Amino acid sequence: QVQLVQSGAEVKKPGASVKVSCKASGYTFTSYDINWVRQATGQGLEWMGWMNPNSGNTGYAQKFQGRVTMTRNTSISTAYMELSSLRSEDTAVYYCARGYQIVATSPPGYWGQGTLVTVSS
Amino acid sequence: QSVLTQPPSVSAAPGQKVTISCSGSSSNIGNNYVSWYQQLPGTAPKLLIYDNNKRPSGIPDRFSGSKSGTSATLGITGLQTGDEADYYCGTWDSSLRKVFGTGTKVTVL
Repeated sequence: QVQLVQSGAEVKKPGASVKVSCKASGYTFTSYDINWVRQATGQGLEWMGWMNPNSGNTGYAQKFQGRVTMTRNTSISTAYMELSSLRSEDTAVYYCARGYQIVATSPPGYWGQGTLVTVSS
Repeated sequence: QSVLTQPPSVSAAPGQKVTISCSGSSSNIGNNYVSWYQQLPGTAPKLLIYDNNKRPSGIPDRFSGSKSGTSATLGITGLQTGDEADYYCGTWDSSLRKVFGTGTKVTVL
């Protein structure tokens, strides 16, 4: 079965960077896009960007351009999302999510368990 | 911040039906498929509907989706206490960036 297992909770200081991992299993990692979505406590879902694990191509939400980097290591079926210049407003649960179907615009259909990132001085 | 507008909350008694609207524009819903997600408290979102009206395997037919022009609707019939959750619509915009709705809390009275 498809599984996405994310790394554990992080506490970071303002200005620092965080790198969240997402290990995939149960399918061919390079066949489906990976999206990253975040959710602040009590708030809605916010899409951050996508990555094609086969090509490494990425697309980022304008809000995060210049601060976010999505990468992958195909040898271990793992995707990464790094967010830099952290501020308190970045405190949120970060999710990775696999496209439901192989097509590029398929909605996120399988989600990781989420990683809480807390930014605090 | 979100470009897709949903009602903050809807409610109904067990066994009844609720509908949740999602309003967008020609640059998003009007020219792209809509998906719907259910998020139970403390859990990750779950895909309920994709391509406007298709259900992933395992999703009961009590959940249905439709789209007309620049709006979409999620319907839930035979409402159950387990349906109490937040529901989000989603689609892509003209720049192939995904956008989500503002979210709707469903309460079973």
